[in-house]
Amino acid sequence: GDSVTQTEGLVTLTKGLPVMLNCTYQTTYSPFLFWYVQHLNEAPKLLLKSSTDNKRTEHQGFYATLHKSSSSFHLQKSSVQLSDSALYFCALSFNSAGNKLTFGIGTRVLVRP
Amino acid sequence: EAAVTQSPRNKVAVTGGKVTLSCNQTNNHNNMYWYRQDTGHGLRLIHYSYGAGSTEKGDIPDGYKASRPSQENFSLILELATPSQTSVYFCASGDWGGAAEQFFGPGTRLTVL
Repeated sequence: GDSVTQTEGLVTLTKGLPVMLNCTYQTTYSPFLFWYVQHLNEAPKLLLKSSTDNKRTEHQGFYATLHKSSSSFHLQKSSVQLSDSALYFCALSFNSAGNKLTFGIGTRVLVRP
Repeated sequence: EAAVTQSPRNKVAVTGGKVTLSCNQTNNHNNMYWYRQDTGHGLRLIHYSYGAGSTEKGDIPDGYKASRPSQENFSLILELATPSQTSVYFCASGDWGGAAEQFFGPGTRLTVL
C-alpha cells in the first residue's frame, strides 16, 4: 500500500539556522506530495505541494523539490524563526475517487531563541 | 475564505455510550474526510465521502460509522464508545483531483471515560 515516512520525530534548533525535514514515500501511482503545518492547538493547513519531478516549489520561505527517482520530498528553510515551531506533516495523494491523503507521522520542530 | 466547522469542540463520553461528531463546510467541496490524530501516529483517515449520500471506509474504520446527508454536512458516529477512541478528531473538505488541498476544521477533543 501507499506510505509516507518521516524519520525525525523532533527537531530542535536555534533561530536563524537552516532546517531540513525528511520525507520519503512509496506508491505505485503518479504522486502528489504535500507538506502540511500544524501550530499548537490549531488545525493543519497546507504549506506547499508538488507533482512535478525535479522542480522546486516554495512558500513562506520554505521550499521542497519532488524527486521521483528517490521518492523524496524533503522540506527545507534557510533560516528558521520562532514562529516556525510547529508540527510538520508530509502527505501523499493521487488521482482517485475521494483523493485520499496518506500522512506521515509528523516531525515536531522546536525553534529556540 | 474556506470554512470548515466542527461541533462539539470538546466532548466527554462514557464507555458504551453513543457519540456523534458533526462537521459542516461552506466550500461546496465534493470530498469530506474524518481523521483522528494521536501522538506517534500522525493523522489517520477513518471515513471519507465523495458526495452527498456516499461514505467510504478509510484506513481505520473499525468502531466508527459515517453519514453524509448533504453536500455540506458529514458526521462521524461512535455507536459504542471505548477509551481507545479518546483522541482529537479532525474533519476536512477538499475538491476533486489529486492536487486538491484539504481544508481542516478546528478539531474535536473527545475523551471517553
